[in-house]
Amino acid sequence: AQKVTQAQTEISVVEKEDVTLDCVYETRDTTYYLFWYKQPPSGELVFLIRRNSFDEQNEISGRYSWNFQKSTSSFNFTITASQVVDSAVYFCALSEAGSGAGSYQLTFGKGTKLSVIP
Amino acid sequence: NAGVMQNPRHLVRRRGQEARLRCSPMKGHSHVYWYRQLPEEGLKFMVYLQKENIIDESGMPKERFSAEFPKEGPSILRIQQVVRGDSAAYFCASSRNQGTAFFGQGTRLTVV
Repeated sequence: AQKVTQAQTEISVVEKEDVTLDCVYETRDTTYYLFWYKQPPSGELVFLIRRNSFDEQNEISGRYSWNFQKSTSSFNFTITASQVVDSAVYFCALSEAGSGAGSYQLTFGKGTKLSVIP
Repeated sequence: NAGVMQNPRHLVRRRGQEARLRCSPMKGHSHVYWYRQLPEEGLKFMVYLQKENIIDESGMPKERFSAEFPKEGPSILRIQQVVRGDSAAYFCASSRNQGTAFFGQGTRLTVV
């Protein structure tokens, strides 16, 4: 069975600090997708990134970067020079793409609440 | 930029009433998913639909809950005879084929 663990329940940082949100996953499939979503205080879920299990290249998008390491089953998310607008709950999610049945289902972690203090 | 539209945003129902939650997918998306988010929890999969068909309802409670996605109109998640434990945020997502799912703003159901 698949599982996503976000061990950090809440994190507080001061504006302009860097912060890393951890995500560890479990799956028996060799083909799978990993996601990060952001849920700001307004409540909507905003898609940030999707990576497939064959692509271990790290990705950078502006102040956001993602570090995917299959060896440790981790897909960590770093925000550089954090801003108050980054305050949100961040969810890591997994879907198993190889099996067909149920491959569309996202399994979410419980989320990490990030507070950026001005 | 018409994303996934859910309405209402907030819904209050008394115990025993029915709740109807609506979801219009993004343009060009024919796959719809419903997830439930309980307080302090991540989202849990409920049901996956394509037009007029339920593909997977393995995450849906067996009683009182139903979902549909008619040929015309939005997808509907229906909860009959609501109880306090149904209070949650219900999110709809849509995708083209089985690609990345984009979520709506959610409907926050409160049962009083």
